[in-house]
Amino acid sequence: DAGITQSPRHKVTETGTPVTLRCHQTENHRYMYWYRQDPGHGLRLIHYSYGVKDTDKGEVSDGYSVSRSKTEDFLLTLESATSSQTSVYFCAISIQGVAEAFFGQGTRLTVV
Amino acid sequence: DQQVKQNSPSLSVQEGRISILNCDYTNSMFDYFLWYKKYPAEGPTFLISISSIKDKNEDGRFTVFLNKSAKHLSLHIVPSQPGDSAVYFCAARTHYGGSQGNLIFGKGTKLSVKP
Repeated sequence: DAGITQSPRHKVTETGTPVTLRCHQTENHRYMYWYRQDPGHGLRLIHYSYGVKDTDKGEVSDGYSVSRSKTEDFLLTLESATSSQTSVYFCAISIQGVAEAFFGQGTRLTVV
Repeated sequence: DQQVKQNSPSLSVQEGRISILNCDYTNSMFDYFLWYKKYPAEGPTFLISISSIKDKNEDGRFTVFLNKSAKHLSLHIVPSQPGDSAVYFCAARTHYGGSQGNLIFGKGTKLSVKP
């Protein structure tokens, strides 16, 4: 257990509404990531962070923004949710110098 | 273009036999390769990794083989158990200079181990 908590675990929202997903870690790790998992696509990187206020885009960043104002929290925001953003979202952390990332339990988001 | 490919969406194996999951990659700059296991409604869990300078890594029932010339790796599970039934993701790390690097995942292979 890498001390990662994602909230909410499930959410249903309407098209066009803003949505924020939260990832909280208890170990003060520097590197945090947001992935989405979709059938037929595996896990794809949305955004990542390498420290407070230091973030960068991943493979599928369009329509998403992130913020990291504290080491322990990494927020993912859908500014205006679309049906194509229906997915399972995973937060992950990694430890400096270690290749593997450790994942949270996921947030299932449905945009109707 | 996919940099990490798992061409078999599913695999069915009898309990006690060997499971072999395959993964191909295109980027010769990857420095680590990893396997993750995922059960429904849970996050992926790290299983085993291998550095690009090695050709084999073993951990209990799990062994990963790396063939750099073929840009191919495989995960062997011996003996397979029903609890191994899950989706397995192959991942590779991009690593530039002193950066931590990011993981790029394949699409996954669903393993079913039948009693």
